[in-house]
Amino acid sequence: DIQMTQSPSSLSASVGDRVTIACRASQAIRDDLGWFQQKPGKAPRRLIYAASTLQSGVPSRFSGSGYGTDFTLTISSLQPEDFATYYCLQYNSFSLNFGGGTKVEIK
Amino acid sequence: QVHLVQSGDVVQKPGASVKVSCTVSNLPFSDYGFSWVRQAPGQGLEWVGWISGYNDNTQYAQNFYGRITMTTDTSTSTVYMELRSLRSDDTAVYFCATDNKWSPVGGDEHLDYWGQGTLVTVSS
Repeated sequence: DIQMTQSPSSLSASVGDRVTIACRASQAIRDDLGWFQQKPGKAPRRLIYAASTLQSGVPSRFSGSGYGTDFTLTISSLQPEDFATYYCLQYNSFSLNFGGGTKVEIK
Repeated sequence: QVHLVQSGDVVQKPGASVKVSCTVSNLPFSDYGFSWVRQAPGQGLEWVGWISGYNDNTQYAQNFYGRITMTTDTSTSTVYMELRSLRSDDTAVYFCATDNKWSPVGGDEHLDYWGQGTLVTVSS
């Protein structure tokens, strides 16, 4: 199985900050990667697919980049509604695996 | 608007089975696959498996081999996940989500719509 390592596991940031979350795959996965946002008690929401394609309806302050093994999710200017936990997911090969998650908290 | 509505929360004893349903509306059922993802209390997300709404092909995560079955009922646009021989560490919220109808790997139509989640509690 391909393992996904996310960093950091948590971060504190202020409204307006630029935030970057990293995800590393244990082997190359092309661009078969998605990013998800989850708020407490809610289902996850897909933000990004194919490593860098923004899901319809997702604000443009979210962006994704990377190919192969190293990927990033960037929030250009953190908004109050962005405080949540973020997960990457590889769908290149079985078994699909999520990263461990990054909790973005208010500083 | 696409809706995935899951069955209600359930409590089961260790060793028992549970069957969770996910009824889909406002999308052509046979044009999609459906994945199940679970989340133990306070933990991250874990992919459980996938079924095609087109041909009923399935793929399961290795952790669940031998005790999981996913099925569909196209007449009601419903997907089912049955987990047997329940253990305490199966306690989790189980989510269904839309996926690619051919495979859960490759392509890009993965996990874009989600159900609300079903809490399965395994306790004696």
